[in-house]
Amino acid sequence: DTAVSQTPKYLVTQMGNDKSIKCEQNLGHDTMYWYKQDSKKFLKIMFSYNNKELIINETVPNRFSPKSPDKAHLNLHINSLELGDSAVYFCASKRLSGNTIYFGEGSWLTVV
Amino acid sequence: KNEVEQSPQNLTAQEGEFITINCSYSVGISALHWLQQHPGGGIVSLFMLSSGKKKHGRLIATINIQEKHSSLHITASHPRDSAVYICAVVYSGGGADGLTFGKGTHLIIQP
Repeated sequence: DTAVSQTPKYLVTQMGNDKSIKCEQNLGHDTMYWYKQDSKKFLKIMFSYNNKELIINETVPNRFSPKSPDKAHLNLHINSLELGDSAVYFCASKRLSGNTIYFGEGSWLTVV
Repeated sequence: KNEVEQSPQNLTAQEGEFITINCSYSVGISALHWLQQHPGGGIVSLFMLSSGKKKHGRLIATINIQEKHSSLHITASHPRDSAVYICAVVYSGGGADGLTFGKGTHLIIQP
């Protein structure tokens, strides 16, 4: 069983559309994250979320919003997609006091 | 500015060589991670360090908190070690407690 799973793995969509990427972890972790990897392969934190607090990286446009229906899920909603949103988005999770962080396999988003 | 610097950016070596990848950071951290990203894109956590040294198989990671520096070593390197190795830190203090990443070291081990 995949510990952190993301869907879809590949998504091609037009500018201006609204899309979501789903993330689920079956590890019982308290904390989940969304990271963005740009075309230069540089990774950057977007959000961290536990069952108490959402922390947003101030550089993330408000078109991006995380939504957590329960502790095992953290979905990423993106409104009014722009060309510059094309990237690989990684979900990750860990225990609040844990050492190891587990990544999903990534979701390749292409905006045309 | 909180930065994570890695060196070298690219490294090509022959099978069997001893590999060292370096990471330095600018301010206090609570933890440092070494990650491996394979060509297919998946990211795997190799180590989490807050002090000292850790070893797993042929991989060794060390950290010097005073010097704000960490190294990842690979002994008896093998072509399957070819990947991007990324250093990432968790900074002490507020803000998103996620990782701040270096730009990665692209390692190629030739047979």
